[in-house]
This record gives sequence, C-alpha cells and structure tokens, in this order.
Amino acid sequence: AQSVTQLDSHVSVSEGTPVLLRCNYSSSYSPSLFWYVQHPNKGLQLLLKYTSAATLVKGINGFEAEFKKSETSFHLTKPSAHMSDAAEYFCVVSDWTGGYQKVTFGIGTKLQVIP
Amino acid sequence: DAGVIQSPRHEVTEMGQEVTLRCKPISGHDYLFWYRQTMMRGLELLIYFNNNVPIDDSGMPEDRFSAKMPNASFSTLKIQPSEPRDSAVYFCASRMGQGTNEKLFFGSGTQLSVL
Repeated sequence: AQSVTQLDSHVSVSEGTPVLLRCNYSSSYSPSLFWYVQHPNKGLQLLLKYTSAATLVKGINGFEAEFKKSETSFHLTKPSAHMSDAAEYFCVVSDWTGGYQKVTFGIGTKLQVIP
Repeated sequence: DAGVIQSPRHEVTEMGQEVTLRCKPISGHDYLFWYRQTMMRGLELLIYFNNNVPIDDSGMPEDRFSAKMPNASFSTLKIQPSEPRDSAVYFCASRMGQGTNEKLFFGSGTQLSVL
C-alpha cells in the first residue's frame, strides 16, 4: 500500500537556523519521491525529486533531501532558513502498482521563519 | 469532512474517447485547482477557479481539455478526444484561507490511462 506521512503540520524556525521537514512513506515498489513548495497566493513549485539515482538529492534554493530506504524516509533539509522560505511544503510519493501509476500527496507542512 | 473527493479513481479508455473527471471540493473552500502529475513533467497546474469562476486556464494543454465548475460543490475536467499522451494522474485540490493562512487540500487523484 502506498502512503505518505508528513510528521509535522507546522514547523517554526528562526532565520539562519537549520530547517528539517520530515516525511515518511510506504510503497510496495521502488518509489519516486518529490518535495513541492507552495508560497502564499502562488502555485506549487517542484523543489526536488528522487527517482532511484543518487540518494542525496539537491534541489533549488539550497534545499536537499536524502532517500533512506531502511527508514522509509525522505526528509527535507536546509542549513540556514531565510524569511523567503516561509511557505507550505508537500511530500509526494509515486510508484507503479499493478500497471497503474499511483501518486499520494502528504497533508503538507507549514514552515514559519521567525526574524 | 470527507476531504476533497475525486471520481473515478481509475479510468481506462481508448484513444478518441471522451473522458470526464469529477471533483467535489471541501465545503466552504473558495478555490479549486486541477493538476496533472506525470513522471516526465512532474506536477502541472491546468486550471483554477475562485468562487466557481475560472481564473487562469493557461496550463490547459490544448482545446481538447475543458473544465467547468457549475456550483461551489462540483467541478469537472473533460478531455475530448483523449490521446495516449494524456495518460497521467489528475489531482483536484481545494483551498481555504488567504495568504499565510491558506491551506491546500488534495484529493486522492484519478489515474487516467488512454490506450
């Protein structure tokens, strides 16, 4: 069965401190994993994706995520938060099940950055 | 609330046939979005509505695609005629709130396979 769990609905960090947004998944097959960001009043933007290549994936705006199969995790990190990072982040899992592509969105994590 | 409800979950059709995807947003949400997810292109915004009015349909691939929202509780995305390259997972999402208070909720998606 496929599922994705974003462990925190809200995360608050101070500007300049590290960001960690947690995502755990379950998939019966080799999954692809994505992180999307949505800024207020804007559309979803792809931050990064894992598709069975390097397990450490670097994305835009200094974000990266590490695919850990043993932990079924794909946490999103950034060394130093900027005010412009305040947004909602969605973890997404995708795989092929029974000949069909199945995609599941997490519920989202709102990141607040405190000056 | 049952969340955003999409139907059908899976649709398999032959090239040239008309396909209609349905979405029931969360009650009280004033924005509704249609997205398409493919492995090659990731997530694409097709169209979105505000208070049942289409605001931006620039993401609709071509004239074969059309979307309607006759009332606040129902929207359809129609493809006529369908083509194999339309095969994807189609998501409907609804949104509440504005700015930093906004929250996006996704449906479970419709897996479309055009043979």
